[in-house]
Amino acid sequence: EAQVTQNPRYLITVTGKKLTVTCSQNMNHEYMSWYRQDPGLGLRQIYYSMNVEVTDKGDVPEGYKVSRKEKRNFPLILESPSPNQTSLYFCASSLSQGVREQYFGPGTRLTVT
Amino acid sequence: RKEVEQDPGPFNVPEGATVAFNCTYSNSASQSFFWYRQDCRKEPKLLMSVYSSGNEDGRFTAQLNRASQYISLLIRDSKLSDSATYLCVLRRGGQNFVFGPGTRLSVLP
Repeated sequence: EAQVTQNPRYLITVTGKKLTVTCSQNMNHEYMSWYRQDPGLGLRQIYYSMNVEVTDKGDVPEGYKVSRKEKRNFPLILESPSPNQTSLYFCASSLSQGVREQYFGPGTRLTVT
Repeated sequence: RKEVEQDPGPFNVPEGATVAFNCTYSNSASQSFFWYRQDCRKEPKLLMSVYSSGNEDGRFTAQLNRASQYISLLIRDSKLSDSATYLCVLRRGGQNFVFGPGTRLSVLP
């Protein structure tokens, strides 16, 4: 089944404790992105990647890191999480050509206390 | 002014009604346009792309007006299953997307 998977789905952590949210897709897509969704603000793009070893900042990259060492994986790293990073996070992937429909993972709900 | 604006709703309509959503955008260089649907606590899913000439997919019709910088979505013969939040999405270029805050629709029996 073609899909984007994220782990963990739910995470409660404390300020300053490094964490990684994994994202993997099995559709051989070149493009991958990370978003956060907050009430009233919609989805905002954090980082995106056009291919292996090619990443770029979205609209809200501060406090986040990403890497793209393999085509299928695009982990999101929070080196020192803070309460304002409490949010719902989505990973997405798409082909490089055509409509560029984005396929989203199921989301990761992160709470930083 | 936000780059993409939508009426947050909620739009409460009876089954069978026709409902229209508008979305305005400020970046005239936006390259592609989409409507996504998001059910409560779920991931967004593509509803349809929006083309300059307008396009239709069953009960759904999308229009783009580049001169006035707005996009519309028309839903005819609303079903209970159409209840969701509808997200207007623009692609600035490459893989750089911007999402509107969404319009919530509730179709009532």
